[in-house]
Amino acid sequence: GENVEQHPSTLSVQEGDSAVIKCTYSDSASNYFPWYKQELGKRPQLIIDIRSNVGEKKDQRIAVTLNKTAKHFSLHITETQPEDSAVYFCAASKGYSTLTFGKGTMLLVSP
Amino acid sequence: SQTIHQWPATLVQPVGSPLSLECTVEGTSNPNLYWYRQAAGRGLQLLFYSVGIGQISSEVPQNLSASRPQDRQFILSSKKLLLSDSGFYLCAWSGYWTPGSGNTIYFGEGSWLTVV
Repeated sequence: GENVEQHPSTLSVQEGDSAVIKCTYSDSASNYFPWYKQELGKRPQLIIDIRSNVGEKKDQRIAVTLNKTAKHFSLHITETQPEDSAVYFCAASKGYSTLTFGKGTMLLVSP
Repeated sequence: SQTIHQWPATLVQPVGSPLSLECTVEGTSNPNLYWYRQAAGRGLQLLFYSVGIGQISSEVPQNLSASRPQDRQFILSSKKLLLSDSGFYLCAWSGYWTPGSGNTIYFGEGSWLTVV
C-alpha cells in the first residue's frame, strides 16, 4: 500500500520567515495530495490540496508544489505568523482509496 | 452544507468499562465514514472505515469495534477498555468519489478519552 514520509517532525521559525514541510509518497498512482492543519486540542482541518494534473497551487500565504517524477510534494508558508503554529499533516491517495497520512510536522512560530 | 457531529467531547472511563462514541453527518447522503485515533503528540491512526450501512473495514486489530446502523451514523464501541485506549478519537466523512475529485476527508471535533 501507499507510504507517506513527512519531514521535518518539528520546525521552529521566527515570525515573518518562511516554512517548508516536505512529504514523499511511494505509490506512483497516487493522484490527490491534501494538507491538514491541526491546532492544539482541535480537529485537523483541510487547508489546501493539489491533484496530480497540477504542479503548484497557491492560496494567499500558503502554496503546495508537486513533483510527480520524484514522488514528493511540499507545503510552503510565507510570512509566518504565530497563529500558523500547529501540527501539519500531508496525505496521499489514489482513486477512491482512503487517505494515507504522514506522521505530522509541529510548526512553532516565535514572535 | 455538510456538518459532522461527534459526542461526547470528553470522557473519563475506568479500565474494563464499556465505551460508546457516536457520530452523525448531516447534509449529505451515503458518505464514507471513518474513525481515527490520535495518541498524545502522535499521528492519525485509521481504525475503521465504512462505505455503506453495515459495511465496516477494520484497519488494526484491537478491542474496539464499529457499527453503522444508519446511513449517516457511525458508532465506535468497546466492551472493556484498556489503558492504551486513551487518546483523541476523531470521526470523519468523505463524499461520493468521482474521477475528477479527491478523497477529501472532513473531521469531527473529536472525543477525548482518558482511561484510568
